[in-house]
Amino acid sequence: NAGVTQTPKFQVLKTGQSMTLQCAQDMNHNSMYWYRQDPGMGLRLIYYSASEGTTDKGEVPNGYNVSRLNKREFSLRLESAAPSQTSVYFCASSAPGLSSSAGYTFGSGTRLTVV
Amino acid sequence: GENVEQHPSTLSVQEGDSAVIKCTYSDSASNYFPWYKQELGKRPQLIIDIRSNVGEKKDQRIAVTLNKTAKHFSLHITETQPEDSAVYFCAASAGGDNRLAFGKGNQVVVIP
Repeated sequence: NAGVTQTPKFQVLKTGQSMTLQCAQDMNHNSMYWYRQDPGMGLRLIYYSASEGTTDKGEVPNGYNVSRLNKREFSLRLESAAPSQTSVYFCASSAPGLSSSAGYTFGSGTRLTVV
Repeated sequence: GENVEQHPSTLSVQEGDSAVIKCTYSDSASNYFPWYKQELGKRPQLIIDIRSNVGEKKDQRIAVTLNKTAKHFSLHITETQPEDSAVYFCAASAGGDNRLAFGKGNQVVVIP
């Protein structure tokens, strides 16, 4: 099993360009998440999808959109990249129970630089 | 929403000594508390977790304790080794949609 696969691993964009970060999991997890990690800020939730067909905003959604394409895939799109979006992006998935939370499995991350 | 705080931000310990990282949370409805280890340039990995119906959980050299009344939980690493050097994140979730709120992380440095 590959777990959670993210592409690309590295990307440099010019201000105003757009791009889509891809994420796929093969663990049959219902829930998927996109986080960004900045120095000293920890992991901040951008968007999440509790189940196939649903998406919700997290703590820092401005400038991003997401698509839960199917149960396996959850993509993050930057429509018009800004330098403030320079960060490391992590996708994660989990399989929560009906009434209990569960740990995340993270992808390997995408290091994005916007110049 | 849930707010998770971690202290101290950086912790240096001599090899073989113990390290303790403490986190506090704000939402009394939170019932799941995982800890993640992140080595430089790598992804965060789950190392241990605890649920609100348990006060302590151990796994070899690591343990987590939970005090629901005070709304804090701690990670204990005994007999530290150089490979324990990493950033450690605590998190909390109130269930439902399983969103985790993460602390800002603690840098642990084990000095050989």
